[in-house]
Amino acid sequence: AQKITQTQPGMFVQEKEAVTLDCTYDTSDQSYGLFWYKQPSSGEMIFLIYQGSYDEQNATEGRYSLNFQKARKSANLVISASQLGDSAMYFCAMRRGSNYKLTFGKGTLLTVNP
Amino acid sequence: KAGVTQTPRYLIKTRGQQVTLSCSPISGHRSVSWYQQTPGQGLQFLFEYFSETQRNKGNFPGRFSGRQFSNSRSEMNVSTLELGDSALYLCASSVGGSGASSYEQYFGPGTRLTVT
Repeated sequence: AQKITQTQPGMFVQEKEAVTLDCTYDTSDQSYGLFWYKQPSSGEMIFLIYQGSYDEQNATEGRYSLNFQKARKSANLVISASQLGDSAMYFCAMRRGSNYKLTFGKGTLLTVNP
Repeated sequence: KAGVTQTPRYLIKTRGQQVTLSCSPISGHRSVSWYQQTPGQGLQFLFEYFSETQRNKGNFPGRFSGRQFSNSRSEMNVSTLELGDSALYLCASSVGGSGASSYEQYFGPGTRLTVT
């Protein structure tokens, strides 16, 4: 069974510093995809970044990058130059094969301090 | 391009009633997935529809059902509501094909259902 583990229930970072949110996954599939979402207190899930298992380059989107280490089955999210508005819950998720079902981790609550 | 819209945003129902939630995907997206989010169970997959057909279903009782219309809009229905059905219900839309960008899923703001 596929599984997503986010070991950090909460993280604190100073404004303008970089932060890494951890995510490890477990799957026997060769084809899969990894997602990161941000959920502010309003509840909406905001898509941040996607990495396919066959992508050779790490995905980047603005201040977000995904540090994909396939052999270690990890897909950590790196946020550079943190902003106060980055304070939110962050979820790592995975889909497998051609399936659109997402399996989510339990999330990491990030707090950015001024 | 407009994002995913969900209606209603908030809903209060009593036990035993039924409820219908609506989701309009991003224009051009043909896949719609539904998720339930609760503090105890986290985010759980309900089902996914593509071109009016259910492609995948999660482990929820038959009281939870859904459908998709020809314009890709989707509805989910919960019958005989229980207190444990109180949750944030999120829908996500994606292109629905097999290319890499087709898998990117964009969520709506959710419907917060409270069952009393």
